[in-house]
Amino acid sequence: GAVVSQHPSRVICKSGTSVKIECRSLDFQATTMFWYRQFPKQSLMLMATSNEGSKATYEQGVEKDKFLINHASLTLSTLTVTSAHPEDSSFYICSAFRPGQGVIGYDSPLHFGNGTRLTVT
Amino acid sequence: GIQVEQSPPDLILQEGANSTLRCNFSDSVNNLQWFHQNPWGQLINLFYIPSGTKQNGRLSATTVATERYSLLYISSSQTTDSGVYFCAVDRSYWGFTGANSKLTFGKGITLSVRP
Repeated sequence: GAVVSQHPSRVICKSGTSVKIECRSLDFQATTMFWYRQFPKQSLMLMATSNEGSKATYEQGVEKDKFLINHASLTLSTLTVTSAHPEDSSFYICSAFRPGQGVIGYDSPLHFGNGTRLTVT
Repeated sequence: GIQVEQSPPDLILQEGANSTLRCNFSDSVNNLQWFHQNPWGQLINLFYIPSGTKQNGRLSATTVATERYSLLYISSSQTTDSGVYFCAVDRSYWGFTGANSKLTFGKGITLSVRP
């Protein structure tokens, strides 16, 4: 089955530094990837849609200057949390859309990474 | 936007028991998925089920799209079934690239299966 690799799985950084999280589709090319944020004991909230070769589309209330998204290739999207603060501590999850699978409709074309737990001290 | 309500919010079972988890949504959807999030945060896709019924081992799911709900059945529960179960929906038609995909997740159902 399709595999999405997210790295790192866990990161601790100091307040004011930047952190980059990578999301890779290992066995398919993904023109569209998604970034979610999950606070403890809460649901997943879509942050942004990442489109290969173009600017990301951010959801309302998500600061695009703080959460920089780059989808430079068909297999890699990155999320950079700039000037991180303790309130940015959260669980970040990416997903990648496998082209064509949505048309078939039997299995989900959305494949999720294992998430990154960010702690800002 | 579309609203997703899951019930019950918490569920405690004795190992071996059966359970039904419910997901109601406020508008028609073209996509619906059930996920299990394990204690390590990993999100496991259980079913992609915008309509109809599917079964996979001890788990099965039914979506009645016209009545805007979906049910996840767990039979003969095991301690490894513990975790949070999410229902997620999307109104849009995903097409070939999924560029307009926008999953909305419910708040989840926390299941604890005791030995």
